[in-house]
Amino acid sequence: KNEVEQSPQNLTAQEGEFITINCSYSVGISALHWLQQHPGGGIVSLFMLSSGKKKHGRLIATINIQEKHSSLHITASHPRDSAVYICAVRWKTSYDKVIFGPGTSLSVIP
Amino acid sequence: NAGVTQTPKFRILKIGQSMTLQCTQDMNHNYMYWYRQDPGMGLKLIYYSVGAGITDKGEVPNGYNVSRSTTEDFPLRLELAAPSQTSVYFCASSYAGQGIPNYGYTFGSGTRLTVV
Repeated sequence: KNEVEQSPQNLTAQEGEFITINCSYSVGISALHWLQQHPGGGIVSLFMLSSGKKKHGRLIATINIQEKHSSLHITASHPRDSAVYICAVRWKTSYDKVIFGPGTSLSVIP
Repeated sequence: NAGVTQTPKFRILKIGQSMTLQCTQDMNHNYMYWYRQDPGMGLKLIYYSVGAGITDKGEVPNGYNVSRSTTEDFPLRLELAAPSQTSVYFCASSYAGQGIPNYGYTFGSGTRLTVV
């Protein structure tokens, strides 16, 4: 079993739809990151969470530490949101150890 | 403000050749990382550094070496390239310290390496 799993693996949505990407993990963590990888390959850090919820524009990230689960929501999706979204967790037992999920590939169709 | 600069963007190596992937950041970040990304897989940590003169192995260090002589630079050296090292390589940096949470990463644009 992978330590960080994401679902779905691939997602196609119509422009304007509300999108949810899920991340579950099996280790105790000190923080969770959501990253966005553009079709050209560049990676951008979206959020770092250790509890609760964060919002930036149309993106919302939540985390439930007890359930070892995080979600990334995109409201009013747009074709420019098409990218791979990566969840990464920072192990509580090793400050420098970060485990990356395999990513969720999102395609938003006009 | 350039952020994290990686060079080259693409490279084809023959088996047994060596090369150095360059990484420079201008944000005065203390932490720097090298990752590799294989198709369908999550990023894997090769090496990391918590400051100039300090480096440590990540999950997949075999076949690679690093150095951190300055805060800005963190080159990754491949000796005796093998087909298994065909991958996309990302350098990243962040700021962290005692009692200070590690804020979001800044990634370089990646190097696509093919070993034939």
